[in-house]
Amino acid sequence: GQQLNQSPQSMFIQEGEDVSMNCTSSSIFNTWLWYKQDPGEGPVLLIALYKAGELTSNGRLTAQFGITRKDSFLNISASIPSDVGIYFCAGQRGAQKLVFGQGTRLTINP
Amino acid sequence: NAGVTQTPKFQVLKTGQSMTLQCAQDMNHNSMYWYRQDPGMGLRLIYYSASEGTTDKGEVPNGYNVSRLNKREFSLRLESAAPSQTSVYFCASSETPLPQHFGDGTRLSIL
Repeated sequence: GQQLNQSPQSMFIQEGEDVSMNCTSSSIFNTWLWYKQDPGEGPVLLIALYKAGELTSNGRLTAQFGITRKDSFLNISASIPSDVGIYFCAGQRGAQKLVFGQGTRLTINP
Repeated sequence: NAGVTQTPKFQVLKTGQSMTLQCAQDMNHNSMYWYRQDPGMGLRLIYYSASEGTTDKGEVPNGYNVSRLNKREFSLRLESAAPSQTSVYFCASSETPLPQHFGDGTRLSIL
């Protein structure tokens, strides 16, 4: 099946730092989504991207749909403790079902 | 505002037993999904329902059956549980063909 590779797998940062993570694939996607999962809960949709080059913000979060359509990026500015969790990217190709990456686990030291 | 409600939250089964995981949404969404999440992996789609009375296989449907009897409810059944089905199961719903609202999951262990 299609594979999405998220990088890094885990991050340990200080509160207040900016965060960058990405998601790459060998296939072209026409939709990219970013989710966040808190411990013991289901994922929450953060941002949806539908066009190559699109840049979309949600508060301190900004995501970009890569120009090649094979990647997407998520940035978090001025991290706070509640940003802790696992961030998942997901991509859709044509009419096929959504494919999820393996997640980036974010840990913040106060 | 309940959103997507899954029951039970936890369950332990013996190999060969059967059970049904329940999911209900109160947002009047047409699309509903069942995913499983295993350690170190992203979510994998088991089954999808675009509307009441319709279902479609996802990436990992073997060993599972689903039922969408009405717009609110989408159940997942394990007819003969196997240890490989130990996982966290998530139900989701959406207005669009992309999952938007997830439940808090059912943690299932099969011994």
